[in-house]
Amino acid sequence: GESVGLHLPTLSVQEGDNSIINCAYSNSASDYFIWYKQESGKGPQFIIDIRSNMDKRQGQRVTVLLNKTVKHLSLQIAATQPGDSAVYFCAENAGGTSYGKLTFGQGTILTVHP
Amino acid sequence: NAGVTQTPKFQVLKTGQSMTLQCAQDMNHNSMYWYRQDPGMGLRLIYYSASEGTTDKGEVPNGYNVSRLNKREFSLRLESAAPSQTSVYFCASSEAWTSKNIQYFGAGTRLSVL
Repeated sequence: GESVGLHLPTLSVQEGDNSIINCAYSNSASDYFIWYKQESGKGPQFIIDIRSNMDKRQGQRVTVLLNKTVKHLSLQIAATQPGDSAVYFCAENAGGTSYGKLTFGQGTILTVHP
Repeated sequence: NAGVTQTPKFQVLKTGQSMTLQCAQDMNHNSMYWYRQDPGMGLRLIYYSASEGTTDKGEVPNGYNVSRLNKREFSLRLESAAPSQTSVYFCASSEAWTSKNIQYFGAGTRLSVL
């Protein structure tokens, strides 16, 4: 899985499968997290966010899970489609002196095969 | 509603040349940001403007300057371009300077410095 500050992993799935993209964060003070999708040649696009007082949030075909105990975030995509192929980034806001800033991970490349 | 618009989309410079990247948002957002994206390194914050009339350095400000021209526009200037500044540059905006805000991105400017 992805870790804020490290390598760029990849995930290949078949169309219709569920996808799980992971993100480990290091700052225990982080209190807000966002997932972005970036298609080739485009800017990052907001998918879903979650605050630290929640452990799960659902959107349309996507679910974000937050485990603060082990500082882990995951994005689940149901019934993955070829149009979901992209790089997925998690981002965290550590609050405090970083108020308003987001720290981005390197991203995970998701490839969906028809 | 265009969101965040960046110009130009592509640019090639010679070492030592200068240029200004333009960014405008039409969402009436208070905060704006400039990032660079390099392969395998995610998005790194160059400068940000928490509100009209203020600018601050981010993680990698060296070699850049910014101007918050008005609430809508935030420009990034390279005074003397270097090959190390070859990158994809993204502008983003958010409603307010808070710890829980979504940043919306433009399509990016792809810059090559020869």
